[in-house]
Amino acid sequence: NAGVTQTPKFQVLKTGQSMTLQCAQDMNHEYMSWYRQDPGMGLRLIHYSVGAGITDQGEVPNGYNVSRSTTEDFPLRLLSAAPSQTSVYFCASGTRGYEKLFFGSGTQLSVL
Amino acid sequence: AQKVTQAQTEISVVEKEDVTLDCVYETRDTTYYLFWYKQPPSGELVFLIRRNSFDEQNEISGRYSWNFQKSTSSFNFTITASQVVDSAVYFCALTEGMSDYGQNFVFGPGTRLSVLP
Repeated sequence: NAGVTQTPKFQVLKTGQSMTLQCAQDMNHEYMSWYRQDPGMGLRLIHYSVGAGITDQGEVPNGYNVSRSTTEDFPLRLLSAAPSQTSVYFCASGTRGYEKLFFGSGTQLSVL
Repeated sequence: AQKVTQAQTEISVVEKEDVTLDCVYETRDTTYYLFWYKQPPSGELVFLIRRNSFDEQNEISGRYSWNFQKSTSSFNFTITASQVVDSAVYFCALTEGMSDYGQNFVFGPGTRLSVLP
């Protein structure tokens, strides 16, 4: 059972570089989301999607871009990385009806 | 707006002690859902429990129990006879029942629990 798969696990970027964090789920979940985790702040929602072709912003969307072309995939793009984007990123998916979220294993991103 | 507060930043206990993690939430909705997640040192997020706003029954699962009180907007988590393996960061989370999806899960800042042998 793969569940939610995130890649890469670790990434170091220089300021201004762009990159894409990959997220895939094999549970046919309609809902997918991206969070960032910073010390003392819990998890904050960046973007979410309730189905292919449908995305919306969360609490901290600036500097990030998403798209949802398939049910399975929900990549997160950093357009021009900044040191403030150094964080641990989690992808999560879930079903309709407020059931639990299934989380990926996280991506540790450092922007120098 | 929804908000989750976990006032305890860090707690240390000795193995076999009981420990309660506090969670206080704010929401304007009458329908909402509360969750607890565990994040062990390995970093993954593990679901522990989900509770809806219409069910105020307390729940017990092995050494874990949860006390949901709407009157005080609290959803506290107690570990009985703690073990070293309980050492983790624990997150309380809330989502409001505004649509078919809990799209706006709001997490508290987390409580780091250290259980010492």
